[in-house]
Amino acid sequence: GQSLEQPSEVTAVEGAIVQINCTYQTSGFYGLSWYQQHDGGAPTFLSYNGLDGLEETGRFSSFLSRSDSYGYLLLQELQMKDSASYFCAVKNYGQNFVFGPGTRLSVLP
Amino acid sequence: EAGVAQSPRYKIIEKRQSVAFWCNPISGHATLYWYQQILGQGPKLLIQFQNNGVVDDSQLPKDRFSAERLKGVDSTLKIQPAKLEDSAVYLCASSLEREVVNEQFFGPGTRLTVL
Repeated sequence: GQSLEQPSEVTAVEGAIVQINCTYQTSGFYGLSWYQQHDGGAPTFLSYNGLDGLEETGRFSSFLSRSDSYGYLLLQELQMKDSASYFCAVKNYGQNFVFGPGTRLSVLP
Repeated sequence: EAGVAQSPRYKIIEKRQSVAFWCNPISGHATLYWYQQILGQGPKLLIQFQNNGVVDDSQLPKDRFSAERLKGVDSTLKIQPAKLEDSAVYLCASSLEREVVNEQFFGPGTRLTVL
């Protein structure tokens, strides 16, 4: 079977740095994506890791270790608007996708 | 560039009734996905189309759910008959066919309430 694990909730203050972890168990792993979803909104794409290492996109970075079946999303200089749910999603060979349960990030003033 | 369109945005039905959702993906996107998202959970893939062919429907409850994408563009998802546990947001997404990243673009979703 396939499974992904993420912390259910994370809280941080404005300006801080927060890391959201994702561990996965899947067959035919191809890559790991991250999506952001505000309450009542649609998921929006943040980043993708197909190879080991760090990908940086502005204030957001994402990391992947294929040998550890582990990745994380790093959010820097947190802003109130970053309060949302964050989902990791595994892409498998055969192109199907499995989303994680999501991490709800609350940014406090 | 227009985004993924879905309709209706909200639907309330009684159990055992039928319901249909419509999705129009971004122009040129060959891959189309239907997801079910129950409150507080991650999206669950129901079915994935590549043009008008099914790539993955392993999690589609085929006794009550059906989906089609006849001309390789827009798609409909139907539930017949609905159960209480089908209450969820149904999200449609699309992506380019040959892309390593497979960035998915989501529509606003249809919020279904089954009473």
